[in-house]
Formats: sequence, C-alpha cells, structure tokens
Amino acid sequence: QSALTQPPSVSGSPGQSVTISCTGTSSDVGSYNRVSWYQQPPGTAPKLMIYEVSNRPSGVPDRFSGSKSGNTASLTISGLQAEDEADYYCSLYTSSSTYVFGTGTKVTVL
Amino acid sequence: QVTLRESGPALVKPTQTLTLTCTFSGFSLSTSGMCVSWIRQPPGKALEWLALIDWDDDKYYSTSLKTRLTISKDTSKNQVVLTMTNMDPVDTATYYCARIQGSSWAIDYWGQGTLVTVSS
Repeated sequence: QSALTQPPSVSGSPGQSVTISCTGTSSDVGSYNRVSWYQQPPGTAPKLMIYEVSNRPSGVPDRFSGSKSGNTASLTISGLQAEDEADYYCSLYTSSSTYVFGTGTKVTVL
Repeated sequence: QVTLRESGPALVKPTQTLTLTCTFSGFSLSTSGMCVSWIRQPPGKALEWLALIDWDDDKYYSTSLKTRLTISKDTSKNQVVLTMTNMDPVDTATYYCARIQGSSWAIDYWGQGTLVTVSS
C-alpha cells in the first residue's frame, strides 16, 4: 500500500480558506469512507480533526470540514487562523485492516 | 480521560531489538471495538503506520515491516508492547502509540511519542 498523495505545502492569509487534497486510488480512497485527518503542530503529537471523511470530533472547530470526490479526499480550513499553522496528514483504514498515511502538507498562515 | 504513554530506550545499536511499551488508561483493551496501534515518524518526515492489536487479540502489521514486528498486549496491566528486530539507523524516529475505536476506525487518542535513535 503506497502512501496517499498530498501537496507538500499550502498557504493562506488569515480569514481565507485553504484546501488540502489527499489522493489515492479507486481501490482505497475511492472505495471506502474511512478517511481521517490529523493536525500536527511542530513538536507535538498528531490530533484527530476529521473522521469518516467529514465527521468532526467534539471540540474541533467547525472551520474544519472534510469531503471526498472520487479517489480524492479533501480537508478545508475556512477562516484561517494563526493557530492553524501545522502539518496535516490524511489517513485511510484499508480493507486489509491496516492503515496508510498521506505524505503530509504544511499549512502556512501568511 | 484517555491517556497513553510510550516508554523504552532512547538509544539502540544497529542490529539490536527494540522493545517499546505503551501504558494506557481511561479505556480497556478487553472492550469490544477497542484497538491500540503503533505509528512512527522519522525526524522531519511523514507518519508511518506500524501495527495494530484489537480487543480480540487480532494483530495486523505494516506489509513492509511485518517480518520485523511483533505486537502483544497485557490487558490486566493496560499495556501493549511492540518489538522491532534488526534495528537500523533508518529506523530512527519518534514512536507513537495510539487508540483506535472500531466504530470509526479513526486514531482518536495519541501518546506524546518517544524518540528512538539507532546509532553505534
């Protein structure tokens, strides 16, 4: 299982929206909704932001939203804030009961 | 309150076997649907999933590392142990343990991680 493909970096000004893509294949992302997103500020452990493509855990701001189209899942951050600056990873729970992570995206707030 | 904490050596020599222990609280690994997983992250690089053990003692491993990994649990001690054989400098990474609930298959709680350096 190869890593899911994410853009290395995205950036935006405070208040803007940014979208991070996570591309797999028709056999993984395209077939299952077990896609999650994680936020990792520098020097800290990852934090769950989105699960099952579009569900937010309690406590995650509604500025964070997830979606999927075909073989690509996406995380959108609306109303970008300075505290959103971090690395973001997508993850998929596969049909083999294993996990695969994305390549990671660094979000910079200009 | 769910917490997980990794423990183990900070430094191992090449070819040695690494043993890491995850001690958790706030949930039981004997509860249906509960799982614990290990994930690692080399310095400056992406996350890499390693292994998972579930409430029913089923075990799953990364395809690329399965010959080197063993995961086990001690439910009475609330611990999960990961061993990785034949360590190499490329295995230098922060190793995280984390909880997964089978209802969503999302990794919902993470430990703080432990940095393991492989060097002679």
